[in-house]
Amino acid sequence: EPEVTQTPSHQVTQMGQEVILRCVPISNHLYFYWYRQILGQKVEFLVSFYNNEISEKSEIFDDQFSVERPDGSNFTLKIRSTKLEDSAMYFCASKASGGYRGTDTQYFGPGTRLTVL
Amino acid sequence: AQKVTQAQTEISVVEKEDVTLDCVYETRDTTYYLFWYKQPPSGELVFLIRRNSFDEQNEISGRYSWNFQKSTSSFNFTITASQVVDSAVYFCALSFSNTGKLIFGQGTTLQVKP
Repeated sequence: EPEVTQTPSHQVTQMGQEVILRCVPISNHLYFYWYRQILGQKVEFLVSFYNNEISEKSEIFDDQFSVERPDGSNFTLKIRSTKLEDSAMYFCASKASGGYRGTDTQYFGPGTRLTVL
Repeated sequence: AQKVTQAQTEISVVEKEDVTLDCVYETRDTTYYLFWYKQPPSGELVFLIRRNSFDEQNEISGRYSWNFQKSTSSFNFTITASQVVDSAVYFCALSFSNTGKLIFGQGTTLQVKP
């Protein structure tokens, strides 16, 4: 069964450093997302991406964040200068289409745990 | 405002008990989608069910069942004859925009004791 994959599973970085989190969505999916979950809290939407551009972003997704789909298979989230409060689990998700039929379900990757020291 | 409320923070049951997880949502949209995801201790988010706003049929899948009631804006989830493997955090989520972003509730931690 196709699945979303994410690398690395755990990333430790120093405050102020840049990190890139990588995701490989399900191959025929067209919509891509990043979410984050601070430990013990709910899952929060960061950004959605469709047709090679951001379609929606949350207040969390400020200028320190960027997303890219560099090669048609990978989908990356970059944090330019990490802060302590960026420590969280970051989930990538993808879905096949925008329609309401069964293809409108988002499937999540296993997550990358980011620890900022 | 678009919002999902899961009032139950933690539930503890003994194996084989039935348990219902509550979810109440708010949205002004007439077309929206509701989801339940399971997050086991390993941390991944596992899709359980999706419901469209115009389909109020209840659904049963094995030991799982879902009760969607638009009149009360609720989408409750029942596990029948719970098992220890059901122990997890369960999230209810709402999707309403063209982009399909999910708005999650706070989650309910279910602990099933042997």
